[in-house]
Amino acid sequence: NAGVTQTPKFQVLKTGQSMTLQCAQDMNHNSMYWYRQDPGMGLRLIYYSASEGTTDKGEVPNGYNVSRLNKREFSLRLESAAPSQTSVYFCASSEWTASYGYTFGSGTRLTVV
Amino acid sequence: RKEVEQDPGPFNVPEGATVAFNCTYSNSASQSFFWYRQDCRKEPKLLMSVYSSGNEDGRFTAQLNRASQYISLLIRDSKLSDSATYLCVVSSEYGNKLVFGAGTILRVKS
Repeated sequence: NAGVTQTPKFQVLKTGQSMTLQCAQDMNHNSMYWYRQDPGMGLRLIYYSASEGTTDKGEVPNGYNVSRLNKREFSLRLESAAPSQTSVYFCASSEWTASYGYTFGSGTRLTVV
Repeated sequence: RKEVEQDPGPFNVPEGATVAFNCTYSNSASQSFFWYRQDCRKEPKLLMSVYSSGNEDGRFTAQLNRASQYISLLIRDSKLSDSATYLCVVSSEYGNKLVFGAGTILRVKS
């Protein structure tokens, strides 16, 4: 029972480099989300996908792109990393709407130098 | 103004104590409410949903006051293992995403 799996767990990037954070869930959930967590600011929504084939911007989408590859997978891409994107990134999923609550992945700690 | 506001703490309490956290939310159209627990360097995990009538799960009691737009969490007989950050969470107006408070730190000491 893996739940939500995120890779990688840790990453260090140089400014300007690109990378993709992977997220997969095996619970047949319809909705998936990407959040970032910074000290004192709580979790902030970057992008979400209410169902396969749809994506929407959240509170802080600038500098990111997403792909809902299929029902299981939702990736987050940083095209040109900046130090301001140093954060902990969490992927989450919910069965239908967010009203059911989320299941989170274990997170990716990203440092941009 | 933040959509969900919590006292960041930390709340330092002895084992066996009762401790209460409150949070306020700004969107009166929010329909779903939760408390999540987050251990250091771990992902948030659902502690309990919060219902208008109030609900209890063992030593944990959650209350919702829609008129005043605040949510509370009461922990009785605190254990060392209760030490964590507690996140107050509300749904967006359309229920399609969750908004998180910054969290309240609880430290239970022996």
